[in-house]
Amino acid sequence: SQTIHQWPATLVQPVGSPLSLECTVEGTSNPNLYWYRQAAGRGLQLLFYSVGIGQISSEVPQNLSASRPQDRQFILSSKKLLLSDSGFYLCASREGYTDTQYFGPGTRLTVL
Amino acid sequence: KNQVEQSPQSLIILEGKNCTLQCNYTVSPFSNLRWYKQDTGRGPVSLTIMTFSENTKSNGRYTATLDADTKQSSLHITASQLSDSASYICVVTRLNNNAGNMLTFGGGTRLMVKP
Repeated sequence: SQTIHQWPATLVQPVGSPLSLECTVEGTSNPNLYWYRQAAGRGLQLLFYSVGIGQISSEVPQNLSASRPQDRQFILSSKKLLLSDSGFYLCASREGYTDTQYFGPGTRLTVL
Repeated sequence: KNQVEQSPQSLIILEGKNCTLQCNYTVSPFSNLRWYKQDTGRGPVSLTIMTFSENTKSNGRYTATLDADTKQSSLHITASQLSDSASYICVVTRLNNNAGNMLTFGGGTRLMVKP
């Protein structure tokens, strides 16, 4: 099975500062990768997905961006954080033949 | 509109008791339904996955049922343990060739098991 790594685990950033969250995947190749955000007490919201290197699709308009520089690396970025960007960010990887999504441990982001 | 509704939103039970969580969905066309367990501050972990033709599936003390006609699913937890305290999320996959936006997540049920 796959293993999803995310870092950092927690992050406290001031409003207007940049952001870079990293996700790497082990145990598979050419996965579909996803970034989700989970607000406190809420369900998961899909932010971005990628079917391959350099291929990014955005699901919701926002001041965040994503990049996939390598097959098993997915990065979530922002040039200027907003208070509303606070939340729990989850990276996920999908195996096409099992149609199962594996989630990383998440990053807790607090914007002050 | 593709939606997944879970009930109750939260539940408190005593250790050793059984409980049942509900999930109703309107996602179409339907591919499969999963139940995930999410411990606080952790990523969700898959418990069960059921396709259209499966009515029930067990994973230890967890038993999921699916009624594709009424578009309802339940997750039954038997002989609850303190470690069962978590959020349980129902996720329905839409049959779609698109790699993204094919999953619809329920809001989850927060279960607390007390000694």
